[in-house]
Amino acid sequence: DVKVTQSSRYLVKRTGEKVFLECVQDMDHENMFWYRQDPGLGLRLIYFSYDVKMKEKGDIPEGYSVSREKKERFSLILESASTNQTSMYLCASPRPGRESTEAFFGQGTRLTVV
Amino acid sequence: AQTVTQSQPEMSVQEAETVTLSCTYDTSENNYYLFWYKQPPSRQMILVIRQEAYKQQNATENRFSVNFQKAAKSFSLKISDSQLGDTAMYFCAFMDLSGTYKYIFGTGTRLKVLA
Repeated sequence: DVKVTQSSRYLVKRTGEKVFLECVQDMDHENMFWYRQDPGLGLRLIYFSYDVKMKEKGDIPEGYSVSREKKERFSLILESASTNQTSMYLCASPRPGRESTEAFFGQGTRLTVV
Repeated sequence: AQTVTQSQPEMSVQEAETVTLSCTYDTSENNYYLFWYKQPPSRQMILVIRQEAYKQQNATENRFSVNFQKAAKSFSLKISDSQLGDTAMYFCAFMDLSGTYKYIFGTGTRLKVLA
């Protein structure tokens, strides 16, 4: 049974704090993604990684960075948390392959910045 | 750039009835996948159905089926015999086969099944 695990389900942080959101997958996939989900805006891509130490900006990378030191772990970093980063964050890892591709998601981290 | 549009923010349907959720997309690619994902209150995203662009035949999965119109760039989801457990947020998603497997999502449709 494939699994994508996010380290926290709920998180409350103060403005200006450095925040780490962790995501681990046990499927040996190359690709991993971080999305942000907001009402009326759907899921928006923040960053993605297609290999260890490789990363690319998505559509809304400002205020975020990422780290991928090991294949199974992809971390999202809020350098200095702000209230407009209060949101739901979803990590995903797609299964590659033309015949069977499917994205597997973590359970989401609801982050509140106060 | 690819875009995905879901024009129905909210819908409701009576239990056992049929409902159709709309999705349109824009791309210049020829090889891609389209998906419908379901997000129940538990927040766990679940794949409902997928369609490969090069396949003419519409995908079906039990009570779920799609109407894929490639020329019109339309990809609607039909849920037959709606059940209370179908109550969820539904997202349409696009993925091109460029190698990064990047998914582009629509804004979602909140579906409520009424008893």
